[in-house]
Amino acid sequence: AQKVTQAQTEISVVEKEDVTLDCVYETRDTTYYLFWYKQPPSGELVFLIRRNSFDEQNEISGRYSWNFQKSTSSFNFTITASQVVDSAVYFCALTQGGGNKLTFGTGTQLKVEL
Amino acid sequence: EAGVTQFPSHSVIEKGQTVTLRCDPISGHDNLYWYRRVMGKEIKFLLHFVKESKQDESGMPNNRFLAERTGGTYSTLKVQPAELEDSGVYFCASSQRQGAALDGHNEQFFGPGTRLTVL
Repeated sequence: AQKVTQAQTEISVVEKEDVTLDCVYETRDTTYYLFWYKQPPSGELVFLIRRNSFDEQNEISGRYSWNFQKSTSSFNFTITASQVVDSAVYFCALTQGGGNKLTFGTGTQLKVEL
Repeated sequence: EAGVTQFPSHSVIEKGQTVTLRCDPISGHDNLYWYRRVMGKEIKFLLHFVKESKQDESGMPNNRFLAERTGGTYSTLKVQPAELEDSGVYFCASSQRQGAALDGHNEQFFGPGTRLTVL
């Protein structure tokens, strides 16, 4: 069985603050893939990043960065200098090596205020 | 390029009635998925089509749910008869076909969802 835990239900920050969204996963497979999706108020899920279990390199994309640590089964997401447009629900998800279905966490509601 | 579209955006029905949700995937995407999010909980997988064939339907809650994808294009998800616990947001997603030599976990593109309310 696999599971994704996003312990933070809601986070509120002031614009320009840095914020980290936590994601902890459980899987018995040695091959798996981790994802982050953003759900803005419009409702659709927007793909942000995919990592496979053999690539522990951290990744930076503009103000977004991801820290993948297999030792702690975590795949945390940091937004630097947050902006109001970053306000959304963020989902962490996992697929196992042999299948395509996404296992999601419960999501973290991020509110960025002026 | 058009994204994944879903219809209707919102449906309110009474317990015992039938509702049909529709999903149009991105053109050329062989893989089509249905997911559901019940209020406050995680998004859960329902089933996966590859073209018109059901690849994995392990997430379908019970036999009141019927999904079809005739012709391998759009898909419908019918709930008959609807129960109160079926309320939630139903998401559809699509992805490109994975070749044997490619990383098999292409990103899934999601639609905006259909919010179903059963009264």
